[in-house]
Parts: sequence; structure tokens; C-alpha cells
Amino acid sequence: NAGVTQTPKFQVLKTGQSMTLQCAQDMNHEYMSWYRQDPGMGLRLIHYSVGAGITDQGEVPNGYNVSRSTTEDFPLRLLSAAPSQTSVYFCASSFGQGIYNEQFFGPGTRLTVL
Amino acid sequence: KNEVEQSPQNLTAQEGEFITINCSYSVGISALHWLQQHPGGGIVSLFMLSSGKKKHGRLIATINIQEKHSSLHITASHPRDSAVYICATEGSQGNLIFGKGTKLSVKP
Repeated sequence: NAGVTQTPKFQVLKTGQSMTLQCAQDMNHEYMSWYRQDPGMGLRLIHYSVGAGITDQGEVPNGYNVSRSTTEDFPLRLLSAAPSQTSVYFCASSFGQGIYNEQFFGPGTRLTVL
Repeated sequence: KNEVEQSPQNLTAQEGEFITINCSYSVGISALHWLQQHPGGGIVSLFMLSSGKKKHGRLIATINIQEKHSSLHITASHPRDSAVYICATEGSQGNLIFGKGTKLSVKP
């Protein structure tokens, strides 16, 4: 199993550009989430999905869009990048809630917006 | 919203020392997670617990639901334990709220 994979590992954007961060998992997990990690702050939830076709907003959803057309993939779209979106982005997945909620994280994408 | 506080923020220990990292939260939860973030950035889950105590190797996690407090202990610490340790609370819908992390450095 590859686990949770994320691409790209690094990305530099100019303000106003759009891009998609890719996330995929091969563990047949229903739950997938996107977090951002900023210096001095805990991981914050951007969007999450509890299954294919179902997504919802987390704590900091503005400026981001998601979709979940398959169980495996959960891409995160930046619609019009802003310097405030400079961060490290982690995708995570889990089988479900409660005792099934062990989180598996991808390696992260370091994004810089100039 | 649940507030998750970790202490200390930074911790330096000598190899072999017993280490304790604390996590407090403000509202009831369904579970508490402890995670480890390696210096390279990767994050792995160490424990999920909703009551009592769990042990894995030299790591022990405890939780006191009434006091809304959890601790992560590392016995016989080793330089390879150097990492950021993150506490996260899980609410009824399964979403996690994370603490800011405790950066541990173990000196040989």
C-alpha cells in the first residue's frame, strides 16, 4: 500500500493563480480531510469528506474548493491564490469515526504564494 | 469550540530521562489523539484513546475525562524521540482540533 500520497511536494505560485493539490489514498478509507499548518498554530481543518460525493467545510474553508468523485481521491483547489495561503498542506484519511478514526497523513505540500 | 492547550511548548531532555507532555481541553470529546511529527515533516498517529491508558513500547498515553486532561509519557528517552508531539481532540462528528504541539529535543 502506498498509503496517502500528495502531489506536488513543493509549489510556488503568484498571487491570483489557481492550482490543485492532489491527494490520493489506497486504503479504501471513507474519511478524508485537508489541513493547513502554519508556524505557531496547530493544524487547522480546511475541508473534509465522509465519503464519495459528500464534502463539508472545516474551520478555514475560504479560498479553497474540494470535490470527492471517488473514494480514493480528494483534490484541493485554490481558486485565486493569496499570500495568506502560504502554508504546508496535509491531506489525511481514516476509515471512519470513533475507534476507526486513526489518522493517516500524506507527506505534505509546501506552498508559497508570492 | 474546543480549546486544546499543550504544555510545555518546548522541551529539552537528556537521553534516558522520563518525559511528560500535557494536553488540556475545554469541552467534552469522544476521543483524544496523540501524533508525532518528524523533523522531516511527516505526521504519524501514536495513540487514540477515550479512557484510561494505552502503552506502546516506551510510550504511554493517559486520559482523565473528568479533568479534561491527557498526558503522553516517554520512558528512557532517546535522541530518535526528538520530534513535535501533537495532541488533538475528536468531537462527535469525527473532526479533530489540534494543539500547537510540543517540540521535544533529546540530547545524547
